[in-house]
Amino acid sequence: NAGVTQTPKFQVLKTGQSMTLQCAQDMNHNSMYWYRQDPGMGLRLIYYSASEGTTDKGEVPNGYNVSRLNKREFSLRLESAAPSQTSVYFCASSEVVGSGVDTQYFGPGTRLTVL
Amino acid sequence: AQSVTQLDSHVSVSEGTPVLLRCNYSSSYSPSLFWYVQHPNKGLQLLLKYTSAATLVKGINGFEAEFKKSETSFHLTKPSAHMSDAAEYFCVVSDWGSYALNFGKGTSLLVTP
Repeated sequence: NAGVTQTPKFQVLKTGQSMTLQCAQDMNHNSMYWYRQDPGMGLRLIYYSASEGTTDKGEVPNGYNVSRLNKREFSLRLESAAPSQTSVYFCASSEVVGSGVDTQYFGPGTRLTVL
Repeated sequence: AQSVTQLDSHVSVSEGTPVLLRCNYSSSYSPSLFWYVQHPNKGLQLLLKYTSAATLVKGINGFEAEFKKSETSFHLTKPSAHMSDAAEYFCVVSDWGSYALNFGKGTSLLVTP
C-alpha cells in the first residue's frame, strides 16, 4: 500500500500560469481533502470531497478548483497562479467525513512556488 | 466553534529528558482530539487520537496525551526524548458532524544531545 500519493513534489510557476496537483489514495477511503500549509499557520482546508461525486469548499477556497475524478483520485487546480498561493499543499483521505473521529491520512506534500 | 491553541511555538529539551507539548482546545460538543507529527520535508503522521474512550491515550513512539475536560487541555508527553523526536507537532480538534480538522499552529520540538 502506497497510502496517499501526490504529484509533483515540487513546482515553480510564474504568476498567471495554471497547473493541476494530483492526489491518489489506495485505501478505499470515501473522503478526500486538500490543505495548504503556510509558515506559522498550521494547515488550512481548501476543499474536501465527502464522497465520489461531491465536493465542498473549506476555509480558503478562493483561487482553486477541485475535481473528484473517481474514488481514488482528487485533483486541485490553480487556474491563474498568484504569489499568495506559494505554499506546501497536502492531500489527505479518510474513511468518512463528518464523523469527527476518523483519522485523516496525509500525502507527502507538493511544494509550490509562484514567482 | 472549535479551535486549538498550542501554547508554545518552540520547545527545546535535552536527549533523555521529558517532553511536554501543551495544547488547549475549545469545542461546542464532545470533541475528538489528535496529535500529528511532521518531520522536516515530510507529510503528517498520526501520533495518537482521543475519541471519548479512555482519557489517557497512548500513541506511537512512546508518546501519550491526557484529555482533561475541566481544563480543556490535551497535552502531549513523552518520558524520555530521543533525537529522532525533533519535528513539528500539531494538535488538532474535530467536532462530531464536522468535516473540518482544526489545526493548531504547531510546536517545533528541538532535541539537543
